[in-house]
Amino acid sequence: NAGVTQTPKFRVLKTGQSMTLLCAQDMNHEYMYWYRQDPGMGLRLIHYSVGEGTTAKGEVPDGYNVSRLKKQNFLLGLESAAPSQTSVYFCASRTSGGISYEQYFGPGTRLTVT
Amino acid sequence: RKEVEQDPGPFNVPEGATVAFNCTYSNSASQSFFWYRQDCRKEPKLLMSVYSSGNEDGRFTAQLNRASQYISLLIRDSKLSDSATYLCVVLRPSSGYSTLTFGKGTMLLVSP
Repeated sequence: NAGVTQTPKFRVLKTGQSMTLLCAQDMNHEYMYWYRQDPGMGLRLIHYSVGEGTTAKGEVPDGYNVSRLKKQNFLLGLESAAPSQTSVYFCASRTSGGISYEQYFGPGTRLTVT
Repeated sequence: RKEVEQDPGPFNVPEGATVAFNCTYSNSASQSFFWYRQDCRKEPKLLMSVYSSGNEDGRFTAQLNRASQYISLLIRDSKLSDSATYLCVVLRPSSGYSTLTFGKGTMLLVSP
């Protein structure tokens, strides 16, 4: 099991460029999440999905879009990158059943927007 | 008041010391609580869940005080490998219990 993987690991964008971050999980989890982590700010939820074909806004959704066309994949898009979107992006997933709310995280994508 | 608040530290302790972190949360309807550990430039990983009666896992003890709305983590006999940032995490009732709120973390540095 690879767990949660993220592509790419690093990226540098110029202001105004677009890109898509890919998150994939092989644990058959229903719930998936995108977070950003900035120094002094902690982890903040961008968008999340509670199942294939569903998405919902988190705490800081502006400037991002997401899609969950397949259960195992959750895509995060930046349509027009801004320097304020320089951050480390983490994807996570968890099962919907049982009593465990544990989220499993991917290794992160380090994005710099110049 | 922020949803989850932690002292950012750093806490500098020698090997073998006992150290405790506290965290406060604002939503009295919160039901589930966790401590995650995050190593430098790595992803967060679940350290332990926090149960109402308190729970222990080896050198780690977590406690919950609902009346005062705080959670604690005690680490005994600190090891160099315990150096990390510890994140206090609360399950959000307002999201139908589908999302977590993370504190900003408390940094622990254990020295020889």
